[in-house]
Amino acid sequence: KQEVTQIPAALSVPEGENLVLNCSFTDSAIYNLQWFRQDPGKGLTSLLLIQSSQREQTSGRLNASLDKSSGRSTLYIAASQPGDSATYLCAVTNSGGSNYKLTFGKGTLLTVNP
Amino acid sequence: NAGVTQTPKFQVLKTGQSMTLQCAQDMNHNSMYWYRQDPGMGLRLIYYSASEGTTDKGEVPNGYNVSRLNKREFSLRLESAAPSQTSVYFCASSPGLVTNEQFFGPGTRLTVL
Repeated sequence: KQEVTQIPAALSVPEGENLVLNCSFTDSAIYNLQWFRQDPGKGLTSLLLIQSSQREQTSGRLNASLDKSSGRSTLYIAASQPGDSATYLCAVTNSGGSNYKLTFGKGTLLTVNP
Repeated sequence: NAGVTQTPKFQVLKTGQSMTLQCAQDMNHNSMYWYRQDPGMGLRLIYYSASEGTTDKGEVPNGYNVSRLNKREFSLRLESAAPSQTSVYFCASSPGLVTNEQFFGPGTRLTVL
């Protein structure tokens, strides 16, 4: 059974700092890994999608890497801003069998202090 | 272009009551999904529809039914609500199953007393 773990559960940083969020998964047979952002009381917003054949994806100040063999992904946020404060979730899509399966981590709550 | 919309935003039910959560997307996506989000449990997939006319069980389907009414709409029905179904429900869609980015609706906060 796929398990997705995100460390740390919560992170507080001063504005302007570069930071890394971690995601690990137990089954490396994945189609892709997706990073989301969730603001309090809101839905999820997709940030980056990395296919299993890719090593990284970049969007603005965000860079996500994927090491499928070791079961790890990182989300790097450069020059953090208070508006980046949110919960960040990673999710993996498994490729085993005929059933679709998407497994989420429990998220990292990020607070960027002005 | 509204993306994924869900109704209602909030709902309170009594145990045993039934209700249907509505979801619609205007992005011409083939695949749609229903999730529930609970504190400490994360997001879990209830049901999904790979394409119009098909539906499949996810991780936690018990107590729920779904209907893919057409390509745009995917509804989730609780036939006899239980307190354990108190949760936030999210609908999502993607161009295709598995390999594509998912887009989420704003959620429905459901309380079952």
